[in-house]
Amino acid sequence: QSVVTQPPSASGTPGQRVTISCSGSNSNIGSNYVYWYQHLPGTAPKLLIYWNNQRPSGVPDRFSASKSGTSASLAISGLQSEDEADYYCSTWDDSRSRPVFGGGTKLTVL
Amino acid sequence: QVQLVESGGGLVKPGGSLRLSCAASGFTFSDYYMTWIRQAPGKGLEYVSYISSSGSTIYYADSVKGRFSTSRDNAKNSLYLQINSVRAEDTAVYYCARALSCGADCYSPGVDYWGQGTLVTVSS
Repeated sequence: QSVVTQPPSASGTPGQRVTISCSGSNSNIGSNYVYWYQHLPGTAPKLLIYWNNQRPSGVPDRFSASKSGTSASLAISGLQSEDEADYYCSTWDDSRSRPVFGGGTKLTVL
Repeated sequence: QVQLVESGGGLVKPGGSLRLSCAASGFTFSDYYMTWIRQAPGKGLEYVSYISSSGSTIYYADSVKGRFSTSRDNAKNSLYLQINSVRAEDTAVYYCARALSCGADCYSPGVDYWGQGTLVTVSS
């Protein structure tokens, strides 16, 4: 069980806005940066967000993220079929001095 | 452009050993922390190990501590993962990844570049 929790699934229709949450504690999300990744099966994961809310070059501005207290969230607006993938958050956990991933959220575009 | 190419995966018997390699190009390898991350079938991502730019600091997940060994050769722009005493639960795709830069001798769990992964299957 990860110390950082994500919902196992999320869904939306094309054009819709969806959010994926990542919940932790003061020892991880509450005091460290959060990162978000997109992972399509059979491919390498891709960094979507770093330092809580920064997008690497090339990542569409449809992807945004925020952090508040011990939770973070990834928002995808204007949902597209190619957004169907697994999404992971990650951060550092101070209590165990280790990096951690959330369990991942499978996003389905209906 | 940044490229990370893993090799060395394959079928190994329980209790056996395997050495994964990662060839890096397109950036100054010796400036970056590097990470091994794995994904078991049907499971999520797991940090396995990371190593500092000089190789002096190495982290291992509890699940692999004492059995896995990470090293790097900055002259050859290469990262290695020695896997010993393999178990069925080590079956996974192993990714070589570059940690985000966060300053001198600083580790970030953020990963900005990933290899395509190499599959390790543990089975008798």
